[in-house]
Amino acid sequence: GQQVMQIPQYQHVQEGEDFTTYCNSSTTLSNIQWYKQRPGGHPVFLIQLVKSGEVKKQKRLTFQFGEAKKNSSLHITATQTTDVGTYFCAGPGSGGSNYKLTFGKGTLLTVNP
Amino acid sequence: GAGVSQSPSNKVTEKGKDVELRCDPISGHTALYWYRQSLGQGLEFLIYFQGNSAPDKSGLPSDRFSAERTGGSVSTLTIQRTQQEDSAVYLCASSRDYLYEQYFGPGTRLTVT
Repeated sequence: GQQVMQIPQYQHVQEGEDFTTYCNSSTTLSNIQWYKQRPGGHPVFLIQLVKSGEVKKQKRLTFQFGEAKKNSSLHITATQTTDVGTYFCAGPGSGGSNYKLTFGKGTLLTVNP
Repeated sequence: GAGVSQSPSNKVTEKGKDVELRCDPISGHTALYWYRQSLGQGLEFLIYFQGNSAPDKSGLPSDRFSAERTGGSVSTLTIQRTQQEDSAVYLCASSRDYLYEQYFGPGTRLTVT
């Protein structure tokens, strides 16, 4: 079945440093979604990328979708303590299972103030 | 407007007892998902409801798990004869349709003693 892998599993940074998490799918994706889960909280939708090579920015966050639509990345510039949490990517299944999102295991980001 | 709500927020039960977890999706959202999240892990798909269509139950881990969605709105996840390995956070999410972002509820933390 479809697999979505994220690296790294954990990342600890000093406040102000940059952070990147990578997501790789075993299959070509029609789109990819990113979610953030704060400690003790629930996942919150960040963004959806649809087009090959797409780049979207949200303030200090930059999201990319690979040309082959099998990988994606999230880059945070100048991290802040408010960025702490687990970042998940998720891709839909193919064909008749396109309603089902497969989530990566997430990257836990901790920020030292 | 109101988000996805879940009840109870916490449930402690003895091994062998049955439990019912409730999810109230966002009004008008046709798609509803249940996930399970074990400590520090990603999201495990359990079941998907879409309108009046037959649900996708492919993620339910055993026949002790069942779910229903009444009137296309409220959903209940039932776990019979709970086991210690059922301990986890159970998350419900709803979406306008399967192509759109998912909105998660706060989850129910289930502890089986």
